[in-house]
Amino acid sequence: EDQVTQSPEALRLQEGESSSLNCSYTVSGLRGLFWYRQDPGKGPEFLFTLYSAGEEKEKERLKATLTKKESFLHITAPKPEDSATYLCAVVRGQAGTALIFGKGTTLSVSS
Amino acid sequence: GAGVSQSPSNKVTEKGKDVELRCDPISGHTALYWYRQSLGQGLEFLIYFQGNSAPDKSGLPSDRFSAERTGGSVSTLTIQRTQQEDSAVYLCASSLGARNTEAFFGQGTRLTVV
Repeated sequence: EDQVTQSPEALRLQEGESSSLNCSYTVSGLRGLFWYRQDPGKGPEFLFTLYSAGEEKEKERLKATLTKKESFLHITAPKPEDSATYLCAVVRGQAGTALIFGKGTTLSVSS
Repeated sequence: GAGVSQSPSNKVTEKGKDVELRCDPISGHTALYWYRQSLGQGLEFLIYFQGNSAPDKSGLPSDRFSAERTGGSVSTLTIQRTQQEDSAVYLCASSLGARNTEAFFGQGTRLTVV
């Protein structure tokens, strides 16, 4: 069964304190791993797509990496505006018709 | 509009009533998805439309849920005989094609069944 597990559930950082979020996945034939950011009361906002092990993508203070079993979202020198819930998802099964999401990691960055 | 538009943004309904939720996808996007997000839970896939193909309804939780997409654009999610456990945020997303690349989400409709 396709599955996505994110850890930790919540993470509190001080401004400037770098850390990483983890996304472990089980899927029959990876067809894409996605990272989204979700702010309270809003829909998820697309961040990155990764397709193969070893691939990396960066955007400002965020860097996403992918292995055969997991993905990491590295946050370097975070700022309070990075506070949000970060969601990881994979394309489901063989048909590739939907994204299966993890429950997310809620990041709080204090100044 | 530039983004995915959902209406209403909030809906309070009495148990047993039917509700309709609307989604206007981004113009030119052929793929449209409905998801449900309950408090403390991840996004739960409900249904997927791709062009003129038969929709993937495998995520619909019961036969009280149905959805249609007219003219390959606007979609309506209908919940009949609502129950309290249907209370959640219903999110719609669209993307350019079937490969799920860069799906854009709307703001969601918060449904409360009382």
